[in-house]
Amino acid sequence: GQNIDQPTEMTATEGAIVQINCTYQTSGFNGLFWYQQHAGEAPTFLSYNVLDGLEEKGRFSSFLSRSKGYSYLLLKELQMKDSASYLCAVLSGGSYIPTFGRGTSLIVHP
Amino acid sequence: EAQVTQNPRYLITVTGKKLTVTCSQNMNHEYMSWYRQDPGLGLRQIYYSMNVEATDKGDVPEGYKVSRKEKRNFPLILESPSPNQTSLYFCASSLLQGLGTGELFFGEGSRLTVL
Repeated sequence: GQNIDQPTEMTATEGAIVQINCTYQTSGFNGLFWYQQHAGEAPTFLSYNVLDGLEEKGRFSSFLSRSKGYSYLLLKELQMKDSASYLCAVLSGGSYIPTFGRGTSLIVHP
Repeated sequence: EAQVTQNPRYLITVTGKKLTVTCSQNMNHEYMSWYRQDPGLGLRQIYYSMNVEATDKGDVPEGYKVSRKEKRNFPLILESPSPNQTSLYFCASSLLQGLGTGELFFGEGSRLTVL
């Protein structure tokens, strides 16, 4: 099986930087996804990491360390609209399908 | 426009009254899946399908059925709904690539209340 851990809730200030961590334990690893989900809406894809290192996409970056079973999502220049839940999902060997963590609720305040 | 469409978006029903939530995608994706989302529990997979006539149980399949007779459609059937199936349901689809799915495309969600 898999075990995926994320903090339940985080708060940050508009304009700041926030890092949302995700740790996982899995037998085999084939990739890690980050999704954003606003309240009552569908999750939307943010990033996919399969190799170690940092992937940057505008204000959002995602980092992966396979040896440590660790990923983070970095959000820069926070805006109020970034208040949402951020879901980490891991694709493991032996399964073609991603398993989701419980998500981190990010609250951005002025 | 590439999309996943679910219907109905909102439904209030009573215990035991069979219902079907439809899901359709226009992206020719092989993989389709149903999730339920409950506060504090995150997204939990109900059933998934790797292609036509190929369905498999996810983590919480009890009380649900699915079918995949056509590539684009993946309906979720609740034969005898119970109050513990009150939840927000998402359908998702993806291309299969390499060792797993690509990014998932989600429908807008169906909020179901069973009284």
